[in-house]
Amino acid sequence: DADVTQTPRNRITKTGKRIMLECSQTKGHDRMYWYRQDPGLGLRLIYYSFDVKDINKGEISDGYSVSRQAQAKFSLSLESAIPNQTALYFCATSDWGQNTDTQYFGPGTRLTVL
Amino acid sequence: QKEVEQNSGPLSVPEGAIASLNCTYSDRGSQSFFWYRQYSGKSPELIMFIYSNGDKEDGRFTAQLNKASQYVSLLIRDSQPSDSATYLCAVIGQGGSEKLVFGKGTKLTVNP
Repeated sequence: DADVTQTPRNRITKTGKRIMLECSQTKGHDRMYWYRQDPGLGLRLIYYSFDVKDINKGEISDGYSVSRQAQAKFSLSLESAIPNQTALYFCATSDWGQNTDTQYFGPGTRLTVL
Repeated sequence: QKEVEQNSGPLSVPEGAIASLNCTYSDRGSQSFFWYRQYSGKSPELIMFIYSNGDKEDGRFTAQLNKASQYVSLLIRDSQPSDSATYLCAVIGQGGSEKLVFGKGTKLTVNP
């Protein structure tokens, strides 16, 4: 089984709808992240969480919210989806150790907002 | 604003050649450096990381770090068509509160 899973893998929705993307991990890592990727723009950090009680905004958090339900689960919500939120979304986990922070990515969710 | 710069490419090399991918970073306090490979539509996967000046080799891959020049590179020897992908450089500073900063990636094409 994959260490980092994301559901759904693909989603098509309409403008104004509320969407939740879910991420689960079995790696036992404390840190979890949500990124979006758009062609030519690279990976951009939306939110991150260093432990269950810690939630932080990334560089592009507007229009998104998150919930860290447990060490293993981190959900991303789009309260009212808009077309420019069409992108590939990745969840990642990491475990700070030895003064470094290797991140491991889930398979991604392709979201299309019509 | 911490920045990581990569040539977007595409970089095209023939099969069997050495591919050289380069990355520069703005934060002199950066501590660790990562190379990820990403196939189209797939998630990034870690190739290797380096934190000491010099070279680090893993199979056909060699990472090179020069902190004085704020420069990290990835060499791929005996390039194969299966190496065709986008390569992402990522950098993290010192301290537990730091986050990875990614470059936008270099697209590599290995021609048979």
